Amino acid sequence: EPEVTQTPSHQVTQMGQEVILRCVPISNHLYFYWYRQILGQKVEFLVSFYNNEISEKSEIFDDQFSVERPDGSNFTLKIRSTKLEDSAMYFCASRGGEPKSPQHFGDGTRLSIL
Amino acid sequence: GESVGLHLPTLSVQEGDNSIINCAYSNSASDYFIWYKQESGKGPQFIIDIRSNMDKRQGQRVTVLLNKTVKHLSLQIAATQPGDSAVYFCAENKRGGSEKLVFGKGTKLTVNP
Repeated sequence: EPEVTQTPSHQVTQMGQEVILRCVPISNHLYFYWYRQILGQKVEFLVSFYNNEISEKSEIFDDQFSVERPDGSNFTLKIRSTKLEDSAMYFCASRGGEPKSPQHFGDGTRLSIL
Repeated sequence: GESVGLHLPTLSVQEGDNSIINCAYSNSASDYFIWYKQESGKGPQFIIDIRSNMDKRQGQRVTVLLNKTVKHLSLQIAATQPGDSAVYFCAENKRGGSEKLVFGKGTKLTVNP
């Protein structure tokens, strides 16, 4: 069964450094998402991406965050200057083009900011 | 405002029993609901979904019930197995927009052998 893959599984970064989280969505999917989950809390929406542009973003997704689909397979989340409170699990999800189709998630990247 | 929540943070059942996990939502504009299972160290795994034009949907050993009158969603797992132990989240999706998901806080299901 096709799946969403994310790398790295764990990223440790010094505060203030830039970090790039990578995702390979399911190949025929058209809609892409990033979510995060702070330890012990619920999953929170960050941003959605369709047709090479952001379609919606949350309050969390400020100017320090950006997303890109640099080629036909990768979808990246960049945090320009990381803060301690950016420590969380970051999940990528994708879904097909049909409305109300389920989003499928990767296993996440654990981001630890020191 | 939009929120999806759960009645119980933990649920413990015996292997072979049926499990019922509940979820309340407050946004009447939501028209699509999904249940996810999250095992330790993994991402949310799709279990079953339901659209607001339905009251019930069945999968393999799972059933989702939607009561729009009281904005309540439940997941029933038949003959619960140790492998069902995980955190279960309901998520809602509003009509239109990017179809972002709003997640509840999760219920931790423990299945005792």
